[in-house]
Amino acid sequence: QLQLQESGPGLVKPSETLSLTCTVSGGSISSNTYYWGWIRQPPGKGLEWIGSIYYSGSTFYNPSLKSRIAISVDTSKNQFSLKLNSVTAADTAIYYCARTYNWNDGGDWFVPWGQGTLVTVSS
Amino acid sequence: DIQMTQSPSSLSASVGDRVTITCRASQSVNNYLNWYQQKSGKAPKLLIYATSLLQSGVPSRFSGSGSGTDFTLTISSLQPEDFATYHCQQSYSTPITFGQGTRLEIK
Repeated sequence: QLQLQESGPGLVKPSETLSLTCTVSGGSISSNTYYWGWIRQPPGKGLEWIGSIYYSGSTFYNPSLKSRIAISVDTSKNQFSLKLNSVTAADTAIYYCARTYNWNDGGDWFVPWGQGTLVTVSS
Repeated sequence: DIQMTQSPSSLSASVGDRVTITCRASQSVNNYLNWYQQKSGKAPKLLIYATSLLQSGVPSRFSGSGSGTDFTLTISSLQPEDFATYHCQQSYSTPITFGQGTRLEIK
């Protein structure tokens, strides 16, 4: 059974860089069927897609965050990572990683999700 | 960006009730519409993909319908474990966007 687990600091100072890693277990990250995404949820608010990556390294970013983010993949470790720079309090959120399934006739959906990790931006 | 609007934002219902949640897109998303259930303190869980296809393991009391801009999630007979927040999500165009969520509470 595929599982994803986020890891990284829970507290980041304003203007610094948020760095998170998602470790995939129970399956290979190197698949042409799936790709891999980051989603966040500010406390008490809705979900926001951050960006996604194929194992080949091809990326798709949310334009609202594109200037500040970088997503990378390490197939040797079965991991993918998120870096978000110049953070502010508005970046405080639970960050989730998820496998993304794509079907030409039905779009893209996220299954399963990691448990999420709360990142607080504060000095 | 395609804006996704759910209604209602919150809903009170009783065990055994039939409940419908609506998701409206600001432009057509074809059938590229998915639904998730999120319980307090937990990650979202996929319920329905491509408008009406039930994810493996999800009870058949959940169903989805719609096309274009208007979609619905229906729970035919509410069970105690169904009280949660429900999110819709479109993937017709980038960026992928979600609705604001519908909180389903016990009456």
